[in-house]
Amino acid sequence: EPEVTQTPSHQVTQMGQEVILRCVPISNHLYFYWYRQILGQKVEFLVSFYNNEISEKSEIFDDQFSVERPDGSNFTLKIRSTKLEDSAMYFCASSLSRGAQGGYNEQFFGPGTRLTVL
Amino acid sequence: AQKVTQAQTEISVVEKEDVTLDCVYETRDTTYYLFWYKQPPSGELVFLIRRNSFDEQNEISGRYSWNFQKSTSSFNFTITASQVVDSAVYFCALLKAAGNKLTFGGGTRVLVKP
Repeated sequence: EPEVTQTPSHQVTQMGQEVILRCVPISNHLYFYWYRQILGQKVEFLVSFYNNEISEKSEIFDDQFSVERPDGSNFTLKIRSTKLEDSAMYFCASSLSRGAQGGYNEQFFGPGTRLTVL
Repeated sequence: AQKVTQAQTEISVVEKEDVTLDCVYETRDTTYYLFWYKQPPSGELVFLIRRNSFDEQNEISGRYSWNFQKSTSSFNFTITASQVVDSAVYFCALLKAAGNKLTFGGGTRVLVKP
């Protein structure tokens, strides 16, 4: 069964460093997302991406964050200068369609990357 | 703005008991979608079910069933004859038709004891 994959599973970095989190969405999916979950808290939306551009972003997704689909399979989240409060589990997700299109709009999540900022 | 509330933070049951998880949502949209996701101890988020706002028929899928009541903005989820492997955090989520983002509730931790 197709699945979303993410690398690395755990990333430790020093405050102020840049990190890139990588995701390979399900191959025939068209919509891509990043969410984060601070330990013990709810899952929060960061950004959605379609047709090589951001379609929606949250207030969390400030200028320190960027997303890219560098080739036909990868989808990346870059944090330019990490802060302590960026420590969280980051989930990538993908879907075949989006909300307005009804069917097949369920988002399938990867296993997550745990980011620890020291 | 959308909001999803899961009032139960933790539920503990003994194996084979049924467990019902409550979810209440707020939205101004007339068309939206509701989901349940499971997060086992390993941490991944597993899609379980989806419901459309225009279809209030309740369904059963294996040991899972759900009760969607638009009049009370509730989307409750029941696990019948719980098993230890059902131990996880369960999240209710809302997707509006015109949007892309899932709005999650705070989650309910279910502990099934043998």
